[in-house]
Amino acid sequence: GDSVTQMEGPVTLSEEAFLTINCTYTATGYPSLFWYVQYPGEGLQLLLKATKADDKGSNKGFEATYRKETTSFHLEKGSVQVSDSAVYFCALSGYSSASKIIFGSGTRLSIRP
Amino acid sequence: DAGVTQSPTHLIKTRGQHVTLRCSPISGHKSVSWYQQVLGQGPQFIFQYYEKEERGRGNFPDRFSARQFPNYSSELNVNALLLGDSALYLCASSSTGGRNYGYTFGSGTRLTVV
Repeated sequence: GDSVTQMEGPVTLSEEAFLTINCTYTATGYPSLFWYVQYPGEGLQLLLKATKADDKGSNKGFEATYRKETTSFHLEKGSVQVSDSAVYFCALSGYSSASKIIFGSGTRLSIRP
Repeated sequence: DAGVTQSPTHLIKTRGQHVTLRCSPISGHKSVSWYQQVLGQGPQFIFQYYEKEERGRGNFPDRFSARQFPNYSSELNVNALLLGDSALYLCASSSTGGRNYGYTFGSGTRLTVV
């Protein structure tokens, strides 16, 4: 079945460092891909999305490119801030699971001032 | 516009009891989904409803049930609670099936079973 694998955390970086959180997926056809963020004590917020190969999703300085050839959707940000500290979830919604979103296990990110 | 609202925000129940969680989607959204998020894990799909019909069901026991009302709000019911049902229960709404636009999540109901 469809699945998402993302890099395990926690990830700790200094402010203004470059961020990459790796995400790969397994799915039939062409799933839609998402990054969600969860701040402490809150629900999930959609950070960005891409619905077809080579699409780049972007929001708040974060970017991720839908790579069909490597089945990847890595999250990147050029300069992180303390306020980016949260848990990040890579997710997909595919043809075989069109009614649901499948989430990765999450990556906890902590940014040091 | 109000986002997805869930009630209650926190709940403590005893093993064997029954619980009802409620969700109001964003105005105009006809699809509601429920997810269970155990501490330290990603959310797991429980149910999706669209236009009051069940469109998907995850791998959860029959103790879990849900319904959607004519105003598109939804309830999740869990019978015979177990300690392992302790989790954050998230409701998400979408104008369509969510595949192309993503879902908007509520802040969740934190259920503790003792």
